[in-house]
Order: sequence, then C-alpha cells, then structure tokens
Amino acid sequence: DTAVSQTPKYLVTQMGNDKSIKCEQNLGHDTMYWYKQDSKKFLKIMFSYNNKELIINETVPNRFSPKSPDKAHLNLHINSLELGDSAVYFCASSQGAGPWDGYTFGSGTRLTVV
Amino acid sequence: GESVGLHLPTLSVQEGDNSIINCAYSNSASDYFIWYKQESGKGPQFIIDIRSNMDKRQGQRVTVLLNKTVKHLSLQIAATQPGDSAVYFCAESYQGAQKLVFGQGTRLTINP
Repeated sequence: DTAVSQTPKYLVTQMGNDKSIKCEQNLGHDTMYWYKQDSKKFLKIMFSYNNKELIINETVPNRFSPKSPDKAHLNLHINSLELGDSAVYFCASSQGAGPWDGYTFGSGTRLTVV
Repeated sequence: GESVGLHLPTLSVQEGDNSIINCAYSNSASDYFIWYKQESGKGPQFIIDIRSNMDKRQGQRVTVLLNKTVKHLSLQIAATQPGDSAVYFCAESYQGAQKLVFGQGTRLTINP
C-alpha cells in the first residue's frame, strides 16, 4: 500500500498544453503539499493545503492551480506549459499543519516539456 | 531570503568508512531540522530530525549534530554501505512556518 501516490510518474508534453498531476494519500494526514525539484535537485515548496484549505501559495505562476477535492487528494493543474516547467514534482503529506508532525513524500512525477 | 546550503555538492567515500555531510542554514529563527535521503527515481525519505533545544541526536548508524552558534548542521553515517548511495538534503523549519526549506543536496557515492 503506497502511502502517498502520484500519477503519472512520467509526463512528456508539448509547450502550450494543459496537464494535470494527481496525488492521493492514504495516511489520514490533514496537510498536503506540492514541491518542485529542478534539474539541480533543488526542492522548493509550491503549495500546501490543510483540510482542503489553501495554506501556502509560494511565488508560483498562476498557470499552476492546485485543487483539493478532499483532504486525501491534492491535484496540480498546469496551463500553457512552458519549457521551464520541466522538473520533478513531488507531492507530500503531514499529519498536522507543519513538517514537524512527519512528512511523507510521494515518488515524484517527472514532467518534460518539449 | 531564506536559504539552506550545503558545503559540498558531492562526497565519495570508501565502503565501511564514516561519512559526514555538512549543511549551513541562514535563518536563525529555524528550530527544527531534518535530514532526508533521496535515491534515484524516488521521493525524499526521512532519516533523522533534531530540534533546536538539542545539539546531538542519534539514530541507527546516523547522528545529526546541530551547532546553532554558527548555524551549522551535519549528518554522520557510520560504516557507510552501498545502500547509502543517494542525494542527502538538509531542511529547516520553524514553528508556524508550515513548510520546509531545503538545501541544495549532497550526492554521496560509495566506493567498493
């Protein structure tokens, strides 16, 4: 049983397309996150949701829109994809509203924009 | 702005030796620190954490040291094994921050 699962694992798409990445956690955690890892392995938070409410929205282009239909799911929709969006996107979850309550990451979605 | 950095981007050690991975952080308000291990094609995996009221914490084969005076964190891995090959990240947070700030990462490779 995968605790935090993301789909798809790989996504190759053309510039200008719209795509979504899905994330589900079966840990019963209250908070979910999206992180972006660039080609130099640098990890940076994009969004966090606590019980379906947006908590953190870092400086991310508004082409990126997270959606949390329930507290077990946090999807990431990206409009008008650009070359610079190519990266690995990680979903994570934690029990409470912060990382000190335990952070579990998914295995990532590698997005390649061509 | 916030930043958490690493002194060495790559580290190569002999199997069986001890490894030390260093990390510098800049936010003096940070009070919680975590080390993560990321293997190829996988997400970061929790190794060990430490709160700012401690300066040392030990786990199984791993020790984290925290020096708040110089804002420095290190991860020591004893008797390094091939399975320890990965990228290691330090990350910091503080009460109310609701997020982790990650360092750049250090790639650890093990020589047989």
